[in-house]
Amino acid sequence: GAVVSQHPSWVICKSGTSVKIECRSLDFQATTMFWYRQFPKQSLMLMATSNEGSKATYEQGVEKDKFLINHASLTLSTLTVTSAHPEDSSFYICSPTMAGVMNEQFFGPGTRLTVL
Amino acid sequence: AQSVTQLDSHVSVSEGTPVLLRCNYSSSYSPSLFWYVQHPNKGLQLLLKYTSAATLVKGINGFEAEFKKSETSFHLTKPSAHMSDAAEYFCVVSEQAGTALIFGKGTTLSVSS
Repeated sequence: GAVVSQHPSWVICKSGTSVKIECRSLDFQATTMFWYRQFPKQSLMLMATSNEGSKATYEQGVEKDKFLINHASLTLSTLTVTSAHPEDSSFYICSPTMAGVMNEQFFGPGTRLTVL
Repeated sequence: AQSVTQLDSHVSVSEGTPVLLRCNYSSSYSPSLFWYVQHPNKGLQLLLKYTSAATLVKGINGFEAEFKKSETSFHLTKPSAHMSDAAEYFCVVSEQAGTALIFGKGTTLSVSS
């Protein structure tokens, strides 16, 4: 299967700071990247979808100015949580997709963000 | 619009007994369906997937699921539970290749000795 890495795997930060999460597809080219968020004991919710070289499309209720997504290359996408607050504490999971692969999606191991 | 309903938020079984995790879906198209497992503080692992081939799908670790279009169901089963099966299980639907997955709310499986 495809290999996806996320960095960092966990991060603790103070309220008001920004945190950048990197997602890399190590052995395939991801033309599309999905970013999900999972609150404790809840399911995964799609935050945004980005295509390489294009602006991300955000789901309803997700602030695009707060969650900055960059998908500058086919192997790297970043999610920056700007001016983080305790309510942003969550598990963030990326899911890169290969064009032309039928419904096989791969997930990063996730990043647990705790905002104090 | 597509949706997924996992009928049980929590299932408890004894080690060695069968497991049944129920999932119903709603889709306008012929969907692809998946079951993922998530162990505590770990990422998602694909158990099995249905993509319009055989309706009985066998996955890893002895799990299998049967796609029943008439019942719009995709229940996950395993003949004999193991302690290591204790985890969160998600039923997932996708209508088109390359689109985002829709996750069910999850079922927590507990296995007692």
